[in-house]
Amino acid sequence: DTEVTQTPKHLVMGMTNKKSLKCEQHMGHRAMYWYKQKAKKPPELMFVYSYEKLSINESVPSRFSPECPNSSLLNLHLHALQPEDSALYLCASSQVAGVSTDTQYFGPGTRLTVL
Amino acid sequence: AQKITQTQPGMFVQEKEAVTLDCTYDTSDQSYGLFWYKQPSSGEMIFLIYQGSYDEQNATEGRYSLNFQKARKSANLVISASQLGDSAMYFCAMRDIKAAGNKLTFGGGTRVLVKP
Repeated sequence: DTEVTQTPKHLVMGMTNKKSLKCEQHMGHRAMYWYKQKAKKPPELMFVYSYEKLSINESVPSRFSPECPNSSLLNLHLHALQPEDSALYLCASSQVAGVSTDTQYFGPGTRLTVL
Repeated sequence: AQKITQTQPGMFVQEKEAVTLDCTYDTSDQSYGLFWYKQPSSGEMIFLIYQGSYDEQNATEGRYSLNFQKARKSANLVISASQLGDSAMYFCAMRDIKAAGNKLTFGGGTRVLVKP
């Protein structure tokens, strides 16, 4: 079963709000990812967690704060976002990070709108 | 730096016909992996097929096959017997063995619309 789940599906928030996106996988994968995707563009990598440790931060603004409580869960905490942060946020997981054959499996995404 | 190019921003295909989506890549590395993903309007990125740089045979998965031409650095996706549910955005992606954290480089995507 290659299922990655994400909640919520849709989120509308004001610029002063604090919210969190959640991602969960039960495939025993040890690498998890957050991507941001603007309309009609490919996904852009934000963060990579490998064995529950942050291994890559693609120079993401601090108003985005990732958290990996355990090997199955990945959160993205949002605070003081800007309207330009409105996008589809995709979570992905893979068995391990650092192997060229490793396949990333994506969740359905959270559509975020910042007012 | 790696680069993936998908030259077809959009295309129409008749239901039940085959369609080829182009993907060319640029890398100086010998070991890399090539992936195709499908993204319907719902947003989920669905993994379709994988080709390794050392694989001697073209990858196939059901109605999907990958036409891998290493010397030309191309990895075209062929969808046979198109169905209405194949209407989606398709992304080609690549990762090389040296890419930190399994980072994928994506192409710009090709939007496919299957006509009945």
